[in-house]
Amino acid sequence: DQQVKQNSPSLSVQEGRISILNCDYTNSMFDYFLWYKKYPAEGPTFLISISSIKDKNEDGRFTVFLNKSAKHLSLHIVPSQPGDSAVYFCAASATGFQKLVFGTGTRLLVSP
Amino acid sequence: NAGVTQTPKFRVLKTGQSMTLLCAQDMNHEYMYWYRQDPGMGLRLIHYSVGEGTTAKGEVPDGYNVSRLKKQNFLLGLESAAPSQTSVYFCASRIPQGQGTYEQYFGPGTRLTVT
Repeated sequence: DQQVKQNSPSLSVQEGRISILNCDYTNSMFDYFLWYKKYPAEGPTFLISISSIKDKNEDGRFTVFLNKSAKHLSLHIVPSQPGDSAVYFCAASATGFQKLVFGTGTRLLVSP
Repeated sequence: NAGVTQTPKFRVLKTGQSMTLLCAQDMNHEYMYWYRQDPGMGLRLIHYSVGEGTTAKGEVPDGYNVSRLKKQNFLLGLESAAPSQTSVYFCASRIPQGQGTYEQYFGPGTRLTVT
C-alpha cells in the first residue's frame, strides 16, 4: 500500500520554462511534507518543505503547493535550469511519527 | 562538519557472504535511518534508531540487522547476502521529534552488488 505516490516517472522541460512535479498521498494523518532532490551517485538533499497549516511555501525558484482536500502537493520550479535535472522525491510525515514515507521519485530533465 | 558519512562506497559480495555497512554522523543527531533505493521503488526504510541503544524495524527489514552502540554510529549488517539485496543503501539522520523539523540529512550512499 503506497501512501505517497508520484505518478510521473519522468518529466522533460525546456530551460526557462516552469517544471511542475506532482505528489499524491493517501494517509490523512500526514501533516508535514518535504521535497528532496537527488543527483546520480549522491545522497538525497533536502529542497523545501511545507506544513499542513499552510497551502504554499516559497524558496527562491522553488514553490510547494499543498491541497489538503485533494491530498495533493506539487513542486513548481520557475525558471527551470539545466542544473535542476535530477530525481525529485516527495516525502510525508505526521506529528509524532518518527519516519518519512517517500514517493518513488520523478526524474526531471531540463534541456538547454 | 562532515555531516553523514558512509563506509564503504562500493562493495561486491558473493551470495551467502556477510558484511557491515557503517554510517557515522557528526551533527549530534538522535535519530538515524537506513534506506535502500531500487529503480522504480523510491527510498524504502530498512531499520531506524531513535537513540543510542535503540533500534526499530522499518518497511523492509528482512535479511538485515542493525546496531546503535554509539550515538554517532549506526551499523547495518547483512548476515547472508542474497542477490535481492543488490541496491544502493543510504543512511540518514535528524534531530528528535518536537524540535521543529522533520528534515533528514543523507549520506552519499553505498552501492552493493550481490552476485
